Formats: sequence, C-alpha cells, structure tokens
Amino acid sequence: GAGVSQSPSNKVTEKGKDVELRCDPISGHTALYWYRQSLGQGLEFLIYFQGNSAPDKSGLPSDRFSAERTGGSVSTLTIQRTQQEDSAVYLCASSGGLANYGYTFGSGTRLTVV
Amino acid sequence: GQNIDQPTEMTATEGAIVQINCTYQTSGFNGLFWYQQHAGEAPTFLSYNVLDGLEEKGRFSSFLSRSKGYSYLLLKELQMKDSASYLCAASDNTGKLIFGQGTTLQVKP
Repeated sequence: GAGVSQSPSNKVTEKGKDVELRCDPISGHTALYWYRQSLGQGLEFLIYFQGNSAPDKSGLPSDRFSAERTGGSVSTLTIQRTQQEDSAVYLCASSGGLANYGYTFGSGTRLTVV
Repeated sequence: GQNIDQPTEMTATEGAIVQINCTYQTSGFNGLFWYQQHAGEAPTFLSYNVLDGLEEKGRFSSFLSRSKGYSYLLLKELQMKDSASYLCAASDNTGKLIFGQGTTLQVKP
C-alpha cells in the first residue's frame, strides 16, 4: 500500500482480556518495527523484524507480549491478559533499507485498558 | 547502555531560529534521525545524518558529531505550525532506532 496501515485505530478493552493489533507495512519493505508511546513520552522499542532473520524481541516488556510477521508482510502484536499499564499508543513502522529515507510510521493504535 | 538525551520543552518566537540538542550513546552507530510529531499524530521523518557535518533541507538543518555523540536540529524562520514534538533517534548496530523522550517546541506569536 501507499503507507503503513494499522488497525484498529482505537481499542478499548477490559483488564484481563487479550488484544491483537495489526500492522500492514509498505509493500516491499523488509524491516518492520513496533513501538509503544505512553502519553507525553517518547517511543519505547518493542520488537524488530528484518527479512527472514530471527526478530529482535529485546524490547518486549513481559511474556504477555508477542508478535508475529507472516509471509514477510503483515504483523500482529498480541497482548495477553491486558493490564492498565498497557494503555498507550502502539506504533508500527517499516523501512525499505535506505536509511536516508527514514522509517515510515503508521497512525498507531490507541489502546485503553479499563 | 543505550541512552538518548534531549531537552523536554522549548519555547521560541515566530520568525526566530531554534536549536534542539541531542546527545546519544548506543551499542554501535548507524545514523541519527530526527522526527517531527504533532499531537495525536504519527512521527514523520525529518532528517538523517551518518557522517559528521550539517545537512540542510529548507528551513530545517541537522548536524552530527560522531566523536562527541552529539546532534542538533536547527529550525529557521519559525512558523506556528512548527509547534510539535521533535524526536531524536539513533540507529544501533542491529538497525533498530532508539528514541529520546522528545522535545516539545512551542512557537509563540
């Protein structure tokens, strides 16, 4: 597609429920990133996929968080047994490998755990 | 450890020049990025530096000193629409971006 697409744009869920967030990167981009941004804060790295390499999961805050990237394209971030501290905007970005073009971000999913 | 530092807030006047500083420490270094983020929106790419020196793009310029672990973003002829958060990010040796907390710039008339 023309840009990075994320869905849903907003999600309200009850504490303890599982949620799935989806990211559709720019076609042909080999690198895909997930970040989390709490209100008024910077971007916290979560996970990074690069081609067929094993993902860098070093930023996942707990084992309740997992992510997959199927077929080198669409990615799903899953949060199990959500907690109130998981409330944040979850941003996905993709890159075609040319650093001087930067990474393109999606509009994010605003997750609210009540 | 990996760390990016930038001021939390800055205020400047319309038409003026403002410089936003950033210092970084990363495991390896593959470049320094600046992003602009308006409230409620996704970050948008502004600039990329990997070699020492100044890169100019219209009203915005970005500078890098690798030996000092230091960068700045220079905004000239400030406009009200430049009020936003400016995020400094360094790429480490795995290619991932480590972001600072962002600098909120308020442009006043």
